[in-house]
Amino acid sequence: DADVTQTPRNRITKTGKRIMLECSQTKGHDRMYWYRQDPGLGLRLIYYSFDVKDINKGEISDGYSVSRQAQAKFSLSLESAIPNQTALYFCATSGVGSNQPQHFGDGTRLSIL
Amino acid sequence: AQSVAQPEDQVNVAEGNPLTVKCTYSVSGNPYLFWYVQYPNRGLQFLLKYITGDNLVKGSYGFEAEFNKSQTSFHLKKPSALVSDSALYFCAGGGQGNLIFGKGTKLSVKP
Repeated sequence: DADVTQTPRNRITKTGKRIMLECSQTKGHDRMYWYRQDPGLGLRLIYYSFDVKDINKGEISDGYSVSRQAQAKFSLSLESAIPNQTALYFCATSGVGSNQPQHFGDGTRLSIL
Repeated sequence: AQSVAQPEDQVNVAEGNPLTVKCTYSVSGNPYLFWYVQYPNRGLQFLLKYITGDNLVKGSYGFEAEFNKSQTSFHLKKPSALVSDSALYFCAGGGQGNLIFGKGTKLSVKP
């Protein structure tokens, strides 16, 4: 089983809909992250959480919200989806410390029509 | 502002030849530097990280990276490329604060 699991893997929806992407991990890591990947732009950080009671905005948090339901679960919501939020979304986890590598799920491909 | 740059969008090499994927960084404080690889329909996989004091870092699948402080570079290398190395490679770095990812370099290894 994968250490970092994202659901759904693919989603097509319409403008204005509320969307939730879910992430769960079995690595026992305290730190979790949400990124979006766009062609030619690399990965950009949306939100991150260093423990259950900690939520921080990343580089591009507008239009998104998150919930850290437990150490192992971190969900990303788009309250009212818009077409320019069409992208590949990744969840990642890491241990404590800036020198710890991040471990990624296989992503959710989200298309907003 | 912190930044990580990968100056090449694509690198093409023949199988068996050495490969280099370039990365330069600008971060505050001591740098934390990583290389990741992404295969189609998969998440990023960790290859290696810079360890303070080691100018040549060895990682997974025969990859290594050369750290050069004066040139602020952390280039990914492999002595002999394989067709299966074809993928998207990301450099990431940070000093204080979160990781910054480069835009990625597509490596294509031809038989």
